[in-house]
This record gives sequence, C-alpha cells and structure tokens, in this order.
Amino acid sequence: GAGVSQSPSNKVTEKGKDVELRCDPISGHTALYWYRQSLGQGLEFLIYFQGNSAPDKSGLPSDRFSAERTGGSVSTLTIQRTQQEDSAVYLCASSPGAAYNEQFFGPGTRLTVL
Amino acid sequence: GQNIDQPTEMTATEGAIVQINCTYQTSGFNGLFWYQQHAGEAPTFLSYNVLDGLEEKGRFSSFLSRSKGYSYLLLKELQMKDSASYLCAAHGSSNTGKLIFGQGTTLQVKP
Repeated sequence: GAGVSQSPSNKVTEKGKDVELRCDPISGHTALYWYRQSLGQGLEFLIYFQGNSAPDKSGLPSDRFSAERTGGSVSTLTIQRTQQEDSAVYLCASSPGAAYNEQFFGPGTRLTVL
Repeated sequence: GQNIDQPTEMTATEGAIVQINCTYQTSGFNGLFWYQQHAGEAPTFLSYNVLDGLEEKGRFSSFLSRSKGYSYLLLKELQMKDSASYLCAAHGSSNTGKLIFGQGTTLQVKP
C-alpha cells in the first residue's frame, strides 16, 4: 500500500520568503508527526497531531513555524520569513494511533534557504 | 532536562558483532525506539522496548534497563548493507507521542 508522501521533495527559497511543506500520511493513521533533521544530526521533534486532540507544538522553534492538519489527514507545515538556519530536511511520519506504535516516515522535503 | 547520548561513529568488520549504546535522561519514560537510516533515506523502525530485558529479532536485538537509563542495539553477522545511521529515541510523556532522538550513530561496515 501507499506509504507517507511528502511534497515537494526539494525546495530552494530566498531568505524572507514563506514556504509550505505538505505531508500525506498513511490512510487510517490518526497520529502525524513533523521532525527536522539538519546535516549529520538526529531528528528534532517539531509537532505532533493525534486525532481531534490539541496538537503538541512544544518542538516548534519559533512563531515563524506553524502546522495544521485538515480533516485528520493531510498536514501542512508553514515556515514564514525563512532564515538560512531553517535549511534542513523536514520529515513527516504517521502511526496508527498510540504513541508506542512504530512511526512510518516519508521521504522528507529538503529545504534550502539562500 | 532531556538528553539522549550515543556514540557518533563506529566501525566494524563484515560478519562481526557490534553493540551500539544509548543512554537517556527524560522527564518520564514510556519506551525506547531504535531506527535505522541509510544515507539520504527516511528512518525505518527496528525495535521498541518498554520493559527491561532483551528483545531479539533476527540479526538485530535491543536491550533496555530502565533503572540505568540505558539501552543498546546489537547487530550480529554484520553485512555491508548494515552501514547506516542508527537512531535511539525515547518516548517520554504518555500524554504525547513526542519522541526525543539522539544524534545517531553512523556505523561503517568494512569487508
């Protein structure tokens, strides 16, 4: 079956521009996660959605970052007024529900801010 | 605070056994994950430990000691394709699915 998909796969933008990254989770998965991975580093948690509960936004690095999940499925991560330090691979993952479940990762979006 | 520590790099020989250690300090603890990530690819799930002890799955095994805040991933009969980064991640609070990841251990398997 289809896995987690993300678009675009690569995004190059100029400093100060806004960007939107999209994630399509596996159908039926109620939990959705966003992570950021800088070169040679581990994954940095950004935000977690679970069903209709309020999202855990504790990992968002600044108020320039926001995310929403519409209809319990597709999610969009928005970065406003991008900075060079925002350059990273942004990974989305989904899981069937409970936090102890395996997370299935998408291929990521590589964001480069010039 | 919350912290996950694992070695940055390891090297091992094809056919050998390697143990990758991970220590963690989290506010609350509900389980420990190991993920494998090949260069340029997304992480894939290897194991999940919530109780103390060893979980074996083919060539890979994972161990957890909750009292010591310690886990390890054991890879047996190493193959060249095992060259990858291995990510340790702790699930802290039961109120959220948030995982705290270590920086990853890059394993190089040599012939």
